[in-house]
Amino acid sequence: ELKVEQNPLFLSMQEGKNYTIYCNYSTTSDRLYWYRQDPGKSLESLFVLLSNGAVKQEGRLMASLDTKARLSTLHITAAVHDLSATYFCAVDEGGAQKLVFGQGTRLTINP
Amino acid sequence: GAVVSQHPSWVICKSGTSVKIECRSLDFQATTMFWYRQFPKQSLMLMATSNEGSKATYEQGVEKDKFLINHASLTLSTLTVTSAHPEDSSFYICSPGQGVDPEAFFGQGTRLTVV
Repeated sequence: ELKVEQNPLFLSMQEGKNYTIYCNYSTTSDRLYWYRQDPGKSLESLFVLLSNGAVKQEGRLMASLDTKARLSTLHITAAVHDLSATYFCAVDEGGAQKLVFGQGTRLTINP
Repeated sequence: GAVVSQHPSWVICKSGTSVKIECRSLDFQATTMFWYRQFPKQSLMLMATSNEGSKATYEQGVEKDKFLINHASLTLSTLTVTSAHPEDSSFYICSPGQGVDPEAFFGQGTRLTVV
């Protein structure tokens, strides 16, 4: 059974600081997703990582994938308040967008 | 990217009644639709997978007689919560399985509140 674990689950940080969210998964997969969710809203796609060593960046967010270690990271650079949200990683179970989600990381960025 | 339209975005119903949630794929044919449920402050959990023209498959612990899924066409899948109870109050989100495009798209979600 595929399990996906994120840490930390809660993260409170100051604007301007850097931090990393970690996502570990238990079985082999070559598709890993990162999503953002604002309160009361659905999921907003951030990144799709498809191969070992993949690195993608968008603005202050950068995601990477190490399939050998079964680890993905979401790095936040010089955080701003607008990045406050819950971030989920998810792993594709079987290659047909059937996703298993991590617990989510609730990120709060304080001025 | 693929456009997925989910309706309604929110619904309040009385205990014991049924509620239907629709999920439409607007610009592609979805042979598979995944239905997820998210309780407050929790993660998303897969409830069931619907396949066009065949029976849906349900995850362990999900009552198939309570959560009726219909996938009668390649552009429409529906989830009906029958005899709803307050513990069914949740955020329900659909996501089509595509296979070609690795991106996974989600509907806008439906907030169900059972009173």
